[in-house]
Amino acid sequence: GAGVSQSPSNKVTEKGKDVELRCDPISGHTALYWYRQSLGQGLEFLIYFQGNSAPDKSGLPSDRFSAERTGGSVSTLTIQRTQQEDSAVYLCASSNPDRVNYGYTFGSGTRLTVV
Amino acid sequence: AQSVSQHNHHVILSEAASLELGCNYSYGGTVNLFWYVQYPGQHLQLLLKYFSGDPLVKGIKGFEAEFIKSKFSFNLRKPSVQWSDTAEYFCAVTSPYNNNDMRFGAGTRLTVKP
Repeated sequence: GAGVSQSPSNKVTEKGKDVELRCDPISGHTALYWYRQSLGQGLEFLIYFQGNSAPDKSGLPSDRFSAERTGGSVSTLTIQRTQQEDSAVYLCASSNPDRVNYGYTFGSGTRLTVV
Repeated sequence: AQSVSQHNHHVILSEAASLELGCNYSYGGTVNLFWYVQYPGQHLQLLLKYFSGDPLVKGIKGFEAEFIKSKFSFNLRKPSVQWSDTAEYFCAVTSPYNNNDMRFGAGTRLTVKP
């Protein structure tokens, strides 16, 4: 597609439930990133995928968080046993590392509210 | 660990006022620096970037930023703001060891009063 697509745009879930957030990167972008944007906290790096390499998971806040990227394209971020502190906007971005000088392209995000 | 500091959390200006938003980073060595903007209800967009060369970088919509290596700073400026510049502004830096490891500041919310 023309941009990075994320779904759902909004998600309200009960504490303790699992959620899945989806990201469709720009076609041809081999690098994909997940960030979390909390009020007053800026953007927190979560995980980075590059091609077929092992992902950089150094930003995942706990083992309740996991992500996968199938076929080098679509990515799913899964949060198990959600907690209220997981409430945030989850942003996905993609880039072409051969053109990293041009920066990342971000999706519109998924606003997650845990009640 | 690397970090990016944005000193102003919320800035309120009247139209035609001049703008300067501070950004400092903690890396040593070569870095790539970015400013992103997020208009209300929209996704993050790249405003400008610095990789090398002239430390004064021109971006879209009349914005510019100056890289001062000795101060580890990359402040964003605009001589005369407009109401449409109301948005949140994020400074970002990529690691000199990994160009794909981008870290962001906490953001500065700019409100321009008409």
